[in-house]
Amino acid sequence: EADIYQTPRYLVIGTGKKITLECSQTMGHDKMYWYQQDPGMELHLIHYSYGVNSTEKGDLSSESTVSRIRTEHFPLTLESARPSHTSQYLCASSELGQETQYFGPGTRLLVL
Amino acid sequence: GIQVEQSPPDLILQEGANSTLRCNFSDSVNNLQWFHQNPWGQLINLFYIPSGTKQNGRLSATTVATERYSLLYISSSQTTDSGVYFCAVERYNFNKFYFGSGTKLNVKP
Repeated sequence: EADIYQTPRYLVIGTGKKITLECSQTMGHDKMYWYQQDPGMELHLIHYSYGVNSTEKGDLSSESTVSRIRTEHFPLTLESARPSHTSQYLCASSELGQETQYFGPGTRLLVL
Repeated sequence: GIQVEQSPPDLILQEGANSTLRCNFSDSVNNLQWFHQNPWGQLINLFYIPSGTKQNGRLSATTVATERYSLLYISSSQTTDSGVYFCAVERYNFNKFYFGSGTKLNVKP
């Protein structure tokens, strides 16, 4: 099993609040990803990173931002949460040259 | 992006039955993976299989890259196999994964 962690696992928050979803991996992987998934639906890539100080937007438009200051840490921030942000957010990582993606347990976000 | 289509969208099996899940994709890819998402939302990688055939216990997968499809076989299904099976592909030099909409499997005892 891969060692990739996400906190919090569940979050209920009011509209307009700033939130940060944490993702950490202990495998030294260079690549990290954030996906958004509505219940029972496909995953959509919202951000990815190839390494420290590298971040890119995915195909799904997102009002979130990410940072990659340390290899093991890839937090996602919503400056002002809205009900449309209600979803599950999944973090993943993989090693350059080895293509298997490992996923964290996810954060279920509910914005009231 | 790449279009990824999975079929069937839903599947109900009796425990012990076999099944085949299909993934079609619209462009050449250098990476294809199958994942299982359990009822608690955790995604587990089953196979990295851009081409050829692999087997792992009761599961096996085959990808025919030239015809742009992959198949996941589940034999002697168990209730713990329930969940959603996703296919994900990555195109050459794009470094992004595209997921299908999944096959939701329910194995009944």
